[in-house]
Amino acid sequence: DSGVTQTPKHLITATGQRVTLRCSPRSGDLSVYWYQQSLDQGLQFLIQYYNGEERAKGNILERFSAQQFPDLHSELNLSSLELGDSALYFCASSVEWTATDTQYFGPGTRLTVL
Amino acid sequence: AQSVTQLDSHVSVSEGTPVLLRCNYSSSYSPSLFWYVQHPNKGLQLLLKYTSAATLVKGINGFEAEFKKSETSFHLTKPSAHMSDAAEYFCVVSDRSGATNKLIFGTGTLLAVQP
Repeated sequence: DSGVTQTPKHLITATGQRVTLRCSPRSGDLSVYWYQQSLDQGLQFLIQYYNGEERAKGNILERFSAQQFPDLHSELNLSSLELGDSALYFCASSVEWTATDTQYFGPGTRLTVL
Repeated sequence: AQSVTQLDSHVSVSEGTPVLLRCNYSSSYSPSLFWYVQHPNKGLQLLLKYTSAATLVKGINGFEAEFKKSETSFHLTKPSAHMSDAAEYFCVVSDRSGATNKLIFGTGTLLAVQP
């Protein structure tokens, strides 16, 4: 158990809908990351927050947004869902944001768009 | 830009035989390199990391990796495979090009362990 929690574990929804994925980092970690794992794209970085502020953006679609709250939990919002958004979404956390920091991953949320 | 290339998409070994999973990296900076493992329907677990200290890095469950700058490699090894090692393994580099440490993943190597 990494100490990073994600809810829900599974999500099944229809095209055009909007969903929210939630992540609670390890106690004391200030950085939160979101990654997407799909069969065609592999594991890709989406976005990073550090202590409530956006730190870096990766291959995140405009239909997707995220935020980190004062209690440091984070939410990833996915809207106007398409079939291709079906994937495993991971949250990770680390103490800081240096290159040597270990990122600890949650169990993931599996999103299925029908 | 940083990147990693995992040279084998599938590796099959017999239980009790050595494991070698190959990874080459490309980096403009002194890299931070990681190996993560993903068991079926599970999250990602850190096996080991290299952060410019000792070039031979020991990880969990008997795995180790050697950083070779001259070969730009960071291969993962284990002397004797167990059935429980069957999983997908990712070689990862930490991006140092900006104000972030986002991880850049390889395409993964699926390890099968035969009885």
